[in-house]
Formats: sequence, structure tokens, C-alpha cells
Amino acid sequence: QSALTQTPSVSGFPGQSVTISCTGTSSDVGSDNRVSWYQQPPGTAPKLIIYEVTNRASGVPDRFSGSKSGNTASLTISGLQAEDEAYYYCSSHTTTYTFVFGTGTTVTVL
Amino acid sequence: EVQLVESGGGLVQPGGSLKLSCAGSGFRFSDFSIDWARQASGEGLEWIGRIRGKVVDYATTYSASVSGRFTISRDDLKNTAYLQMNRLKAEDTAVYYCIRNNNWSFENWGQGTLVTVSS
Repeated sequence: QSALTQTPSVSGFPGQSVTISCTGTSSDVGSDNRVSWYQQPPGTAPKLIIYEVTNRASGVPDRFSGSKSGNTASLTISGLQAEDEAYYYCSSHTTTYTFVFGTGTTVTVL
Repeated sequence: EVQLVESGGGLVQPGGSLKLSCAGSGFRFSDFSIDWARQASGEGLEWIGRIRGKVVDYATTYSASVSGRFTISRDDLKNTAYLQMNRLKAEDTAVYYCIRNNNWSFENWGQGTLVTVSS
């Protein structure tokens, strides 16, 4: 099972919007809605921010939103803030009952 | 508050074995699948495997990279999950996380434990 392909890095000024893509196949991202997103500031454990494509985890600000079209899922951060600077990973359940992570995206706030 | 605490990491020689533990608290441990993932220094996340609950006979699944070498088990009376790692290789060096799986996502993570495979 190959890792899902993510945009390596995105950046934006405070207040701007950025979007991270996560591309898989019909055997993972495209197979159902079991796609999730994680935020990982350096030196810390990952934190769930989006589950089942569009649902925000408890306590996550509504500036984070998720979507999916075909084999590609996306995470959008609207109104970028300095505290959003981190690594972001997508993940998907697969048709072989395993999970796979994305390659990771660095979000930089300029 | 949901908490997961890993232990058992350390230095092991190539070809050796190590068993990690994951103690859960703040939730009904037996109701949830427990997954393991790892992250090599400066690298991305890699899912290793999961163990489901009693209702599905503690079914396990593994990634291809560890299948046949790693085994996940659990003791619900102790609220603890385990990751037995055999025939360890240098490329298994990483921080290992245990995770509570909910809604097909990795909802709660432990702080991680470092495993170093080196002679």
C-alpha cells in the first residue's frame, strides 16, 4: 500500500486561505468516506482535526474544513493563523482493511 | 480525559525483539480498536497495524512492512495493548505511537516511545 500523495508544502499570510490535497486511489481515498486529517506541530504527537472527510474533531476551530472529490481529499484552512504552522497528514482506510497515511505537508505562516 | 501511555522503547540490536505496552485510561478500553503507528526521525507517519475489540474476536490487521514480524495483542482487564516486535531491522528505528481508533480515524494518540535498532 503506497502512501497517499500530498502537496509537500504550502504557505500563506495570516488571514489567507490555504488548501492541502491528498491523492490516493479507488482502493483507499476513493473507496468510501473514511478519510481523516491530522495536525502535528514539531516535536509533538499528531492531533486529529477532521474525520470522515468533513467532520471536525472536538475543539477544532471552524476555519478547518475538509472535502473530497473522487480519489482526492482536501483540507482547507481559512483565516490562517500563526498557530496553524505545523505538519499536516491525511489518512484513509483501505479496501484491504488497512490504513494508509499521506506523505505530509508543511504549512508555513508567512 | 482519554490518555494513552506507551512504554518499553529502547535500544535493541538488529535481529532482536522488543515488546511495547500501551496503557489506556479515561475510556472503556474494551470498546475501542487500538492502532499502532510509527514515525522515523524527520519522516512521515506510517500505520503499522490494529487490533479490534472482543465483538469482532480481537481481529488484527498489519501493514505489509511489518506483517509476519510484529504482533499486536491486548488485555482488556489491564486496559493495555501490546506490540511485540521480532526480527528488528535498522529501518524499524522510529517513535512508536499507540492510538485509540474511533470513527475510522485516529482520535487519541499517546506521547510515543522511541525504538532504536542498532548494533
